[in-house]
Amino acid sequence: AQTVTQSQPEMSVQEAETVTLSCTYDTSENNYYLFWYKQPPSRQMILVIRQEAYKQQNATENRFSVNFQKAAKSFSLKISDSQLGDTAMYFCAFMTSYDKVIFGPGTSLSVIP
Amino acid sequence: SQTIHQWPATLVQPVGSPLSLECTVEGTSNPNLYWYRQAAGRGLQLLFYSVGIGQISSEVPQNLSASRPQDRQFILSSKKLLLSDSGFYLCAWKHETNRPYGYTFGSGTRLTVV
Repeated sequence: AQTVTQSQPEMSVQEAETVTLSCTYDTSENNYYLFWYKQPPSRQMILVIRQEAYKQQNATENRFSVNFQKAAKSFSLKISDSQLGDTAMYFCAFMTSYDKVIFGPGTSLSVIP
Repeated sequence: SQTIHQWPATLVQPVGSPLSLECTVEGTSNPNLYWYRQAAGRGLQLLFYSVGIGQISSEVPQNLSASRPQDRQFILSSKKLLLSDSGFYLCAWKHETNRPYGYTFGSGTRLTVV
């Protein structure tokens, strides 16, 4: 079975500091896509960053970057210069060849002023 | 532009009553459509997905059903709601050529069964 694990239910970080959220996944497929979604208190799901498994280069979107370790099936999210607006639930997600997205249980991130 | 609409935003229904949540997509054709449920403080569980009109795949056996009467319309229904049906329901779509971009989500429906 394909699963996504996020071992940190809750995290906090001081404003302007850097934080890393962990994610591991399990799959037997070789081609897939990985995502980090953000869900602020409004509960709107927002795509933060994506990574194609066949690309070795780690994806970067402004203050957000990932550390993709395909052999270890690890996909962590680093948020630099944390801002109050980054407070949200963060979901790691994996898209299968059947285009179904499987989500992890989420990590609640609080940015402390 | 491509947009997804989901309504109602909130709903309070008594146990045993019927349910109908609607999701529509604009600005695209032949989208893959998905219904997810998010229980309080938990992750997203895929309920149903559809790759075309009248084509519904169910991921988990439950009290809910889904239908796709039109290309850009996806409906989540129940004949008799249970307390356990309470949660936050999200509709999502993905264009078949938009694979690297994952899903685009609707704004969600908060359902409380009392």
